[in-house]
Amino acid sequence: GAGVSQSPSNKVTEKGKDVELRCDPISGHTALYWYRQRLGQGLEFLIYFQGNSAPDKSGLPSDRFSAERTGESVSTLTIQRTQQEDSAVYLCASRLTGDTYEQYFGPGTRLTVT
Amino acid sequence: AQSVTQPDIHITVSEGASLELRCNYSYGATPYLFWYVQSPGQGLQLLLKYFSGDTLVQGIKGFEAEFKRSQSSFNLRKPSVHWSDAAEYFCAVGGYSGYSTLTFGKGTMLLVSP
Repeated sequence: GAGVSQSPSNKVTEKGKDVELRCDPISGHTALYWYRQRLGQGLEFLIYFQGNSAPDKSGLPSDRFSAERTGESVSTLTIQRTQQEDSAVYLCASRLTGDTYEQYFGPGTRLTVT
Repeated sequence: AQSVTQPDIHITVSEGASLELRCNYSYGATPYLFWYVQSPGQGLQLLLKYFSGDTLVQGIKGFEAEFKRSQSSFNLRKPSVHWSDAAEYFCAVGGYSGYSTLTFGKGTMLLVSP
């Protein structure tokens, strides 16, 4: 079946502009995660959605970052007034609640802020 | 707080030689442990996972890992490396809540020489 998809695959933006990154999870997966991967670094947790519960936003680095998810479907990560330090690969993962907790990752969106 | 240490940033192994990638974790209870692999431009793929039971776990692509509670380690091994194994490898730890996020190490880049 289809895996996690993300769009765009690459995004170049100017400093100060807003960007939206999209994640389509695997159908039926109730949990969705966003991570940031800076060059040479591990994955940094940003935000977690579980069904209709309030999202866990504890990893968002600043109020310029926000994310939405409608039910158990698509999620959008928005970065406002982008800064050069926002340049990174943004990875989305989904998980089927009740399974052995494996997260399935999308290919990521590479964001470059010039 | 949970944490993961991968002490080797880069490792070079000759094709056909054995491989061991190190991972040490810090977690207040019995952890869930994972190894993921990331090929260039790709998302993360799960190699194997440990939740309970047998401390030696088998994964895909001929990989295995051993959970050693006394050493807080979960090292990844492969008896004979293939050129296609060249990639970045991430160790991750999670908790029993089922909804917890994963904490990732910074990764080890594996280079395979002919």
